[in-house]
Amino acid sequence: GDSVTQMEGPVTLSEEAFLTINCTYTATGYPSLFWYVQYPGEGLQLLLKATKADDKGSNKGFEATYRKETTSFHLEKGSVQVSDSAVYFCALMGRGGSQGNLIFGKGTKLSVKP
Amino acid sequence: DSGVTQTPKHLITATGQRVTLRCSPRSGDLSVYWYQQSLDQGLQFLIQYYNGEERAKGNILERFSAQQFPDLHSELNLSSLELGDSALYFCASSDGQGREIRGETQYFGPGTRLLVL
Repeated sequence: GDSVTQMEGPVTLSEEAFLTINCTYTATGYPSLFWYVQYPGEGLQLLLKATKADDKGSNKGFEATYRKETTSFHLEKGSVQVSDSAVYFCALMGRGGSQGNLIFGKGTKLSVKP
Repeated sequence: DSGVTQTPKHLITATGQRVTLRCSPRSGDLSVYWYQQSLDQGLQFLIQYYNGEERAKGNILERFSAQQFPDLHSELNLSSLELGDSALYFCASSDGQGREIRGETQYFGPGTRLLVL
């Protein structure tokens, strides 16, 4: 079945450091890919998404490119802030058995120190 | 604020009991999804409703059931509760069917934290 694998956390960075969180997927066909963010005590918020190969999703300085050849959707940000501290989830929405619902990775906790 | 509301925010109950979690989707959204977030299983899809009808099922236990009412709010019923059911339960909504429509955004509520003692 469809699945998402993302790098284990926690990740601790200093303010203004470069961030990469790796995400790879297994799916039938061409899924849509998402990054969601969960701030402490809150629900999930969509950060960005891409629906076809080579699409780049971007929001709030974060970017991720849908790479079909490597089945990846890595999240990057050039300069993180303390306010970016949260848990980040990579997810896919597939066409097969998981169509419509989201399949999530296990989440990566990011802590940014001043 | 996503526009999705969930009540109650916290729920503490005992093993063997039954609880009902409520979700109101964003105005105009016809699809409602339920997810469970636990430390060992992560975030898992439970069930989806579209305009009152069950559309898809995930890893939902037989002890759990859900429904979507004519006003589009949804309820998740958890019965014969066990310690392992302690988790954060999220509701999400979208304006599409989730089928044949790729990439539609799901908007998540703040969750209901269930603790079974």
